[in-house]
Amino acid sequence: DQQVKQNSPSLSVQEGRISILNCDYTNSMFDYFLWYKKYPAEGPTFLISISSIKDKNEDGRFTVFLNKSAKHLSLHIVPSQPGDSAVYFCAASVGDMRFGAGTRLTVKP
Amino acid sequence: NAGVMQNPRHLVRRRGQEARLRCSPMKGHSHVYWYRQLPEEGLKFMVYLQKENIIDESGMPKERFSAEFPKEGPSILRIQQVVRGDSAAYFCASSPGLLNNSPLHFGNGTRLTVT
Repeated sequence: DQQVKQNSPSLSVQEGRISILNCDYTNSMFDYFLWYKKYPAEGPTFLISISSIKDKNEDGRFTVFLNKSAKHLSLHIVPSQPGDSAVYFCAASVGDMRFGAGTRLTVKP
Repeated sequence: NAGVMQNPRHLVRRRGQEARLRCSPMKGHSHVYWYRQLPEEGLKFMVYLQKENIIDESGMPKERFSAEFPKEGPSILRIQQVVRGDSAAYFCASSPGLLNNSPLHFGNGTRLTVT
């Protein structure tokens, strides 16, 4: 039962351009959504979150958008930097937290 | 280091042996979550524990896997009679209480290899 889906396993972007990572969910009870970043051999690190009562949250170069009617979440990174290269996991929470399969972002210099 | 501590970082077991993975949550956190990441896959929820209680074990395989979080000491994920398919990275995360619009904090994981 995959309640949180990231359909793009990988994304490659040029340095300085925008990276857009997408996520869909099926459980309308989810009320809190997050993005985590993961480097090899490390645990996931919290990046940014959004409550279901909002449709946008911004933190520096990172912005998360929530479209509740479409059950869709996206993360925008602008401008992208080579250090942003990592696997990004979308997560959704109600009681416990469920994760997508991840998208590997590569930012090319 | 006040973060979530997992040990060992790497664990090698032969088929049929037992694997014990330990997780010490962040100071002040009483809720622990275990996730498994199979090669080329995402994080799969396994179990959610509070001190001395299993809250949700819907992601745990029915056989060979068990978890505990005693009143004293770390949380333990135990895998009996390991098979090659158990090879994965196992991540622990903690929170201070119910996930009330707050993120989970993860450890760096234990990479289990079954030979």
